[in-house]
Amino acid sequence: GENVEQHPSTLSVQEGDSAVIKCTYSDSASNYFPWYKQELGKRPQLIIDIRSNVGEKKDQRIAVTLNKTAKHFSLHITETQPEDSAVYFCAASKGGYSTLTFGKGTMLLVSP
Amino acid sequence: KAGVTQTPRYLIKTRGQQVTLSCSPISGHRSVSWYQQTPGQGLQFLFEYFSETQRNKGNFPGRFSGRQFSNSRSEMNVSTLELGDSALYLCASSLQGHGNTEAFFGQGTRLTVV
Repeated sequence: GENVEQHPSTLSVQEGDSAVIKCTYSDSASNYFPWYKQELGKRPQLIIDIRSNVGEKKDQRIAVTLNKTAKHFSLHITETQPEDSAVYFCAASKGGYSTLTFGKGTMLLVSP
Repeated sequence: KAGVTQTPRYLIKTRGQQVTLSCSPISGHRSVSWYQQTPGQGLQFLFEYFSETQRNKGNFPGRFSGRQFSNSRSEMNVSTLELGDSALYLCASSLQGHGNTEAFFGQGTRLTVV
């Protein structure tokens, strides 16, 4: 089955810096890659997703890039703010009625 | 629109007991998935129900089971509880499935096995 590796497990940055979280997947048939943010004590929420027919997608300070050949995708957060502090999960799916396979998460800490 | 609701929010059970968790999806959503979340392990997929049928299953022992009712509400049952079952159990709903559309998560049920 699909396996998703996520790095780093913890990331500490200063407010205003950029943060990058990387994920690799094993199944070349995967074609949907969402990112979820989970603040402490709260439910995971989708922040951005990308499909395999697109190489990059941006939404304000957040961007995701996908390299299908290398089977990896990354989340980029620019101008980080303390409220960006949370655990971020990447996931991969083969689409359709397939399920999501999640990475183990990255705890992002943004210091003021 | 009401979000995904899970009950109860917290449970404390003794080893060997069984437990039932409940999940009410967003109105109109027919797919409900269950995940186990533990520190350092991320979100591990348990199973997915769609229109009262189990459509996908993860790699968990048979002690973990579930069902879905005609109104799309879902229950998850764990029998013969073990200490290692202590975790946050999350359910997520979506219109057709999480494979290519957003999954909406509930707040979770925190299960502690003592």
